[in-house]
Amino acid sequence: SQQGEEDPQALSIQEGENATMNCSYKTSINNLQWYRQNSGRGLVHLILIRSNEREKHSGRLRVTLDTSKKSSSLLITASRAADTASYFCATHQGSARQLTFGSGTQLTVLP
Amino acid sequence: SQTIHQWPATLVQPVGSPLSLECTVEGTSNPNLYWYRQAAGRGLQLLFYSVGIGQISSEVPQNLSASRPQDRQFILSSKKLLLSDSGFYLCAWRTANYGYTFGSGTRLTVV
Repeated sequence: SQQGEEDPQALSIQEGENATMNCSYKTSINNLQWYRQNSGRGLVHLILIRSNEREKHSGRLRVTLDTSKKSSSLLITASRAADTASYFCATHQGSARQLTFGSGTQLTVLP
Repeated sequence: SQTIHQWPATLVQPVGSPLSLECTVEGTSNPNLYWYRQAAGRGLQLLFYSVGIGQISSEVPQNLSASRPQDRQFILSSKKLLLSDSGFYLCAWRTANYGYTFGSGTRLTVV
């Protein structure tokens, strides 16, 4: 079953704008991860945030985590056409050895 | 360096035919390995994971099976494919920091 649910399902913005994607989950987690997938390709790991962290940065990416609301957001600043892809959140819970993925947000950045 | 190889990239198979997808990793030992399936426009569904040679955990009952004959080799198989087995199959291994590295995927079409 899917643990994370991304919102929105699809997002279209102009190059240079910021893109924000949200993820909600249901049970307590050890960490939450964001992945990117270009069409027809494998997923690429972007960033991991642990349950005791509230915010993390990596280049133009900013991830926040609110464990009280069981939600996370991914912000991509100054977006580029090359950022066009699907973005997935995934949660690692308890003693589970696997990640549970959400259904993804399709981001389109228009040049 | 650590890499993961998955093949073939695309596969068209008739209903009732057997399947064998192979995944190998390099540059790491005793990795946790995973097989996921992704339906079109959807998130990833975990099929199998393995924490060591000969150790396979199945997440969903299905027409598929997995084997791990060697430490760095993970094989997804079916004796008789169904139409519903069509999808994008992804192999992954878990890195030391709990992020996953994915293969490039296999697009399976059962006709």
